[in-house]
Amino acid sequence: DSGVTQTPKHLITATGQRVTLRCSPRSGDLSVYWYQQSLDQGLQFLIQYYNGEERAKGNILERFSAQQFPDLHSELNLSSLELGDSALYFCASSPRGDQPQHFGDGTRLSIL
Amino acid sequence: GQQLNQSPQSMFIQEGEDVSMNCTSSSIFNTWLWYKQDPGEGPVLLIALYKAGELTSNGRLTAQFGITRKDSFLNISASIPSDVGIYFCAGYRTSGSRLTFGEGTQLTVNP
Repeated sequence: DSGVTQTPKHLITATGQRVTLRCSPRSGDLSVYWYQQSLDQGLQFLIQYYNGEERAKGNILERFSAQQFPDLHSELNLSSLELGDSALYFCASSPRGDQPQHFGDGTRLSIL
Repeated sequence: GQQLNQSPQSMFIQEGEDVSMNCTSSSIFNTWLWYKQDPGEGPVLLIALYKAGELTSNGRLTAQFGITRKDSFLNISASIPSDVGIYFCAGYRTSGSRLTFGEGTQLTVNP
């Protein structure tokens, strides 16, 4: 158990819809990261938050947004969903921005 | 895009064999990490390396931080069926806090 909790584990929805993925970091970790992993692909970095503020952006689409709340949990919002958004979405956390990241078990998003 | 070249892409070995995989870059890294991912699960941190030349073990796994700081190696000794999975290298460069990942090595162990 990495200590990083992601909900829900699975999400099935339709094109055009909007979903919210949630992440609770390990106790004491201030940095939260979001990654997308499509079938048989590597991990694509989306965005990082540190203590409530956006720290770094990767290949995140404009239809996607995220935030980190005062209690340090984070949400990733995906809107106007397309078939190609079907993927595993992982959250990871670390104490600071340059330390090993620990991953949650992910949310599997399926767009029908 | 990816800045880490991980090889091999896949390996098929017999139980009991030793395994080696590596990760190289044209850039210098301050930290090297090795993760293992089982199907449908999140990557699990295996080993973290912080100094050039550092050699660290975790059970049957041994990883090294290359002297040039541009590469890292992971060895698995006496492989067993539960070693099956995808192994990712990752690293933090000298500036910034973005973790860069390799493309992964898919390991299959035949009993």
